[in-house]
Amino acid sequence: AQSVSQHNHHVILSEAASLELGCNYSYGGTVNLFWYVQYPGQHLQLLLKYFSGDPLVKGIKGFEAEFIKSKFSFNLRKPSVQWSDTAEYFCAVNRDSSASKIIFGSGTRLSIRP
Amino acid sequence: DTGVSQDPRHKITKRGQNVTFRCDPISEHNRLYWYRQTLGQGPEFLTYFQNEAQLEKSRLLSDRFSAERPKGSFSTLEIQRTEQGDSAMYLCASSPRTSGRGEETQYFGPGTRLLVL
Repeated sequence: AQSVSQHNHHVILSEAASLELGCNYSYGGTVNLFWYVQYPGQHLQLLLKYFSGDPLVKGIKGFEAEFIKSKFSFNLRKPSVQWSDTAEYFCAVNRDSSASKIIFGSGTRLSIRP
Repeated sequence: DTGVSQDPRHKITKRGQNVTFRCDPISEHNRLYWYRQTLGQGPEFLTYFQNEAQLEKSRLLSDRFSAERPKGSFSTLEIQRTEQGDSAMYLCASSPRTSGRGEETQYFGPGTRLLVL
């Protein structure tokens, strides 16, 4: 069965620090990969997605993620975080088929100290 | 606002009561998904519709749960004889028709938070 692992449950950083959130998935076939973000009191929003092509994908608000197929990883990065990045971040995967449920990781809570 | 909407946003009920939630997808999105999210966890898939057809149901969806999408537009999720373990956030998502590979993006609504006392 597919699964998604996010190893960091809670990350605390100071403003301007660099960020990397780990994500590994288990599925042998072709997958689509996503990072969703949930700001306090708001609903899930798509941060970025990978379907095919360049394994380094850029999303909104300066976030990027790199798909490394050999490591089954899709880590999220941002060179310099801001206080407004405080949120819960979810890595997710679905099978590359005509329609498919998304499997989410358990999330990483990011707290930014001003 | 043309995003996914859900109603109600909050529901408190007593154990044993029935509850029904509604989801209105983004206009012309033919796929609609229901997920459940409990505290400290990511959303878990419950079921999905393509137009009015319910194409997949999770094992999480017990016999007490039923979902419909009668006209291929809005959807309802009903929970009968609620239990305390049903307390969670129920999320709806929709996605547009895609051509070729399944490169679909799901857009989520704000959720309905259910508390069963």
